[in-house]
Amino acid sequence: KAGVTQTPRYLIKTRGQQVTLSCSPISGHRSVSWYQQTPGQGLQFLFEYFSETQRNKGNFPGRFSGRQFSNSRSEMNVSTLELGDSALYLCASRPQATDTQYFGPGTRLTVL
Amino acid sequence: GENVEQHPSTLSVQEGDSAVIKCTYSDSASNYFPWYKQELGKGPQLIIDIRSNVGEKKDQRIAVTLNKTAKHFSLHITETQPEDSAVYFCAGGRKTSYDKVIFGPGTSLSVIP
Repeated sequence: KAGVTQTPRYLIKTRGQQVTLSCSPISGHRSVSWYQQTPGQGLQFLFEYFSETQRNKGNFPGRFSGRQFSNSRSEMNVSTLELGDSALYLCASRPQATDTQYFGPGTRLTVL
Repeated sequence: GENVEQHPSTLSVQEGDSAVIKCTYSDSASNYFPWYKQELGKGPQLIIDIRSNVGEKKDQRIAVTLNKTAKHFSLHITETQPEDSAVYFCAGGRKTSYDKVIFGPGTSLSVIP
């Protein structure tokens, strides 16, 4: 099976712009979670989607949003980018009724 | 809320030696403790996990121990190999509630050939 894929792998944006990141989970996985990874804050949970519904949300401002499509693919959007949004954004998918998450390689976002 | 501390932040060992990484957690309701390995340019990969009803779990050269009373859990890697070099993250929280699974800051492990 193919692993979790994320596009694009690298992205450079300027302050005030918005960005959309995409994640394709492992085939058959219906749960998709998003994380932000920075050297200062480490790995922080953004949100989790299951069957197109947001099931959990982390402690991030409303500028961070996401959605999931009927084929389980997910997107996350960050509006009005700030310098502090520069990070590696990771997507993880999970089979139903298990704890094991499978992470993608991430999208490296740089905000100038 | 839950807080997970991890020590050391960096660790260098000679190939063949053992490596131990220790974590502590604050939320006594935590019942799920996964460990992840992250190699350069890749996402974290689950290497082992332990539930709160188990004190120890082993998988080949990797073992994890959990002391619920002291709120400590540790990762032990024996017979280290250069390919074990990576950043290791512990995490603690509530099983399947990922908003409540908090990651430690990570340990950069270098295995010297």
